[in-house]
Amino acid sequence: GNSVTQMEGPVTLSEEAFLTINCTYTATGYPSLFWYVQYPGEGLQLLLKATKADDKGSNKGFEATYRKETTSFHLEKGSVQVSDSAVYFCALSDLFSGGYNKLIFGAGTRLAVHP
Amino acid sequence: DAGVIQSPRHEVTEMGQEVTLRCKPISGHNSLFWYRQTMMRGLELLIYFNNNVPIDDSGMPEDRFSAKMPNASFSTLKIQPSEPRDSAVYFCASSKILAGELYEQYFGPGTRLTVT
Repeated sequence: GNSVTQMEGPVTLSEEAFLTINCTYTATGYPSLFWYVQYPGEGLQLLLKATKADDKGSNKGFEATYRKETTSFHLEKGSVQVSDSAVYFCALSDLFSGGYNKLIFGAGTRLAVHP
Repeated sequence: DAGVIQSPRHEVTEMGQEVTLRCKPISGHNSLFWYRQTMMRGLELLIYFNNNVPIDDSGMPEDRFSAKMPNASFSTLKIQPSEPRDSAVYFCASSKILAGELYEQYFGPGTRLTVT
């Protein structure tokens, strides 16, 4: 079945440091891939997405590239800010295997950025 | 648009009581999802509705849980009787799905349920 594995947290960084959060997936079809962010006390928000191999999603300085050969979708940001502190979820959705846009989430990675 | 609206935001109840969580999806969306988030199990999909019809309820834990969507603008998730292990944050999300196209799911702020 479909699954998502992401690196365990917490990830603790100083402001302006480089961020990488690893995400790998297993899928039987051709999934779309997502990163969602959850700020404290809030619901999840879509951060970026990629719908096919080699696509790069980007938003708010975050980027992730859909790598089919390594089944990965790692999240990166060149210079993090304190306001980026949140929990980040990698997810996949495969319309063709599930028949609808069911999201399969990873466990989440907590990021803490210190001044 | 106001986004997905959930109520209440917090609910504390005693074991054995009935709990009803409410959700108003974004206007124009035809898909609705209920999720549960716990530290131990992460985010779990409980049930998915499309055009007010339950399509996938394989994630509903047991018969104590039930969900309804009487119209396009309202859904409920009911737990009866509630147990301490039901304590979690429950999220509602809505989306639109048309002709096999993939659209974003928009999440509500969640209801934090504590069962004592």
